[in-house]
Amino acid sequence: KAGVTQTPRYLIKTRGQQVTLSCSPISGHRSVSWYQQTPGQGLQFLFEYFSETQRNKGNFPGRFSGRQFSNSRSEMNVSTLELGDSALYLCASSVAGRGTTEAFFGQGTRLTVV
Amino acid sequence: AQTVTQSQPEMSVQEAETVTLSCTYDTSESDYYLFWYKQPPSRQMILVIRQEAYKQQNATENRFSVNFQKAAKSFSLKISDSQLGDAAMYFCAYVSNTGNQFYFGTGTSLTVIP
Repeated sequence: KAGVTQTPRYLIKTRGQQVTLSCSPISGHRSVSWYQQTPGQGLQFLFEYFSETQRNKGNFPGRFSGRQFSNSRSEMNVSTLELGDSALYLCASSVAGRGTTEAFFGQGTRLTVV
Repeated sequence: AQTVTQSQPEMSVQEAETVTLSCTYDTSESDYYLFWYKQPPSRQMILVIRQEAYKQQNATENRFSVNFQKAAKSFSLKISDSQLGDAAMYFCAYVSNTGNQFYFGTGTSLTVIP
């Protein structure tokens, strides 16, 4: 059974650009969540999608957005990149529903903004 | 709001010895899940162990066990017979039974000394 796949693994972008990150969940998983990991702030929740609908959103500016497709694959987009957006972005998938019993994480996308 | 606190930024243990990582959390909910995730240098978040709050029995997974004290809101991880491969960053995490958002602690970096 394939795990959670995130692409690309590494990205270097310039301030002001935009970027799109992709996450393919485990087959059969309908919930995809995104987290930002930085040395200073740790792991912070960005948003969660379930059946193509954003179900929950963290405390991030509107420059951070996402979507989920009918096959459960998810993308997150960051517009007008800032240096502070440099981070490891992790995607997690779970089967469904509230009260998840387990989330499976991808290897992350390392974004560097220069 | 839910918070998760790991008060040990770094820990070290001799190979084959036992080490305990601490975690406390704050919540007003009665039904939730607690997790320990391991993040090695590869950055992949790997589930180590899971505890359902409604279960009084402490979870165990081979060399890994937890001490779950619900009243004290404490959730420590014990690693027995430590191995070199256990070296990683360990994160304690909380998720409510009604949500799908993980709240993570700041992590404990575990070094295993040969």
